[in-house]
Amino acid sequence: DAGVTQSPTHLIKTRGQHVTLRCSPISGHKSVSWYQQVLGQGPQFIFQYYEKEERGRGNFPDRFSARQFPNYSSELNVNALLLGDSALYLCASNTWTAMNTEAFFGQGTRLTVV
Amino acid sequence: RKEVEQDPGPFNVPEGATVAFNCTYSNSASQSFFWYRQDCRKEPKLLMSVYSSGNEDGRFTAQLNRASQYISLLIRDSKLSDSATYLCVVTQTGNQFYFGTGTSLTVIP
Repeated sequence: DAGVTQSPTHLIKTRGQHVTLRCSPISGHKSVSWYQQVLGQGPQFIFQYYEKEERGRGNFPDRFSARQFPNYSSELNVNALLLGDSALYLCASNTWTAMNTEAFFGQGTRLTVV
Repeated sequence: RKEVEQDPGPFNVPEGATVAFNCTYSNSASQSFFWYRQDCRKEPKLLMSVYSSGNEDGRFTAQLNRASQYISLLIRDSKLSDSATYLCVVTQTGNQFYFGTGTSLTVIP
């Protein structure tokens, strides 16, 4: 079975540009979350989607947006890129249960803003 | 105040040593607790869940103290392959995961 897949794996953008990152969850998982991991820090929660609806948003500016599609895949969009947006962007999928379950992470997209 | 606080280390220990990592969380309503392992430039992977009764998986033992809002991970008989960053994770409602900064472990031959 395929795990969580993310694309692209690496990306270089210039300041002010826009970027779209993509994620396909594990088959059967309807919840997708996005995290930003800056070097030397733990992942920080950006968004969570379940059944195509936003269920949670972390403390990130409006330049960050996301959506989930009917097949449960997801996109993370970042506008007006800043140097500080350089990070590993992780997508995680899990089942949606009353008791939180393990989240499975993709290999991440490493974004460099120059 | 951060949701999850961890000592970032680094911890450098010889093979065979026992090492303990600690973590505290700020929200008493937190629901689930995990330790994740992250190898250099890789994604985090679940090491073990943490329960109030404590749980053990081979050389790894995790403990949760809800009253003190404290989580621990003990690694016995350290192996070279244990070298990684260990992330303390706490969840609240809605499956939102809150990560600590991570604790770096290097096991030395």
